[in-house]
Amino acid sequence: GNSVTQMEGPVTLSEEAFLTINCTYTATGYPSLFWYVQYPGEGLQLLLKATKADDKGSNKGFEATYRKETTSFHLEKGSVQVSDSAVYFCALKPGANNLFFGTGTRLTVIP
Amino acid sequence: KAGVTQTPRYLIKTRGQQVTLSCSPISGHRSVSWYQQTPGQGLQFLFEYFSETQRNKGNFPGRFSGRQFSNSRSEMNVSTLELGDSALYLCASSLATNMNTEAFFGQGTRLTVV
Repeated sequence: GNSVTQMEGPVTLSEEAFLTINCTYTATGYPSLFWYVQYPGEGLQLLLKATKADDKGSNKGFEATYRKETTSFHLEKGSVQVSDSAVYFCALKPGANNLFFGTGTRLTVIP
Repeated sequence: KAGVTQTPRYLIKTRGQQVTLSCSPISGHRSVSWYQQTPGQGLQFLFEYFSETQRNKGNFPGRFSGRQFSNSRSEMNVSTLELGDSALYLCASSLATNMNTEAFFGQGTRLTVV
């Protein structure tokens, strides 16, 4: 089946710290992988995506690499800001199918 | 370009009532999907419509239904509301349904059942 396992939160970091949020997946075939972010009271915004093995998605300083051998898509950012405080969701899309989401990781960045 | 618009933003209903939520996708997008978000179950897929046809359905009871109109706008209906239906309902639109297509989400409708 299709599923996403995401690092449990919450995660609290100081401003300018390094961020890693772990994400592993199980999928039939070769899915596309996504990171979405949800700010308080808002819907989901696409942060980055990767559509095949070894692809690196990047946006706003965030990066994630599609690792087929470890079935992982970990989110990283070298220096977080207070404005990065949000809930982050890892998701996969196997073919012409719906998105399967992880449980979400709440990140709080303190000044 | 306008984003995905969901109406209403907030809704309070009583157990046993029914409710209809609306979603207007981004212009030109023909695929609309619905998701339910709750603290306990996270984000769960409800159904997807493409060109007025339901293409995919999640594991929800028949009380949950939807439809899509010729202008791609979509509605979802929940009948005989239960307390457990309280959730944020998110709509997402995309150009097509293949695996690489990005889904753009609306801000959601917060439904509270009392």
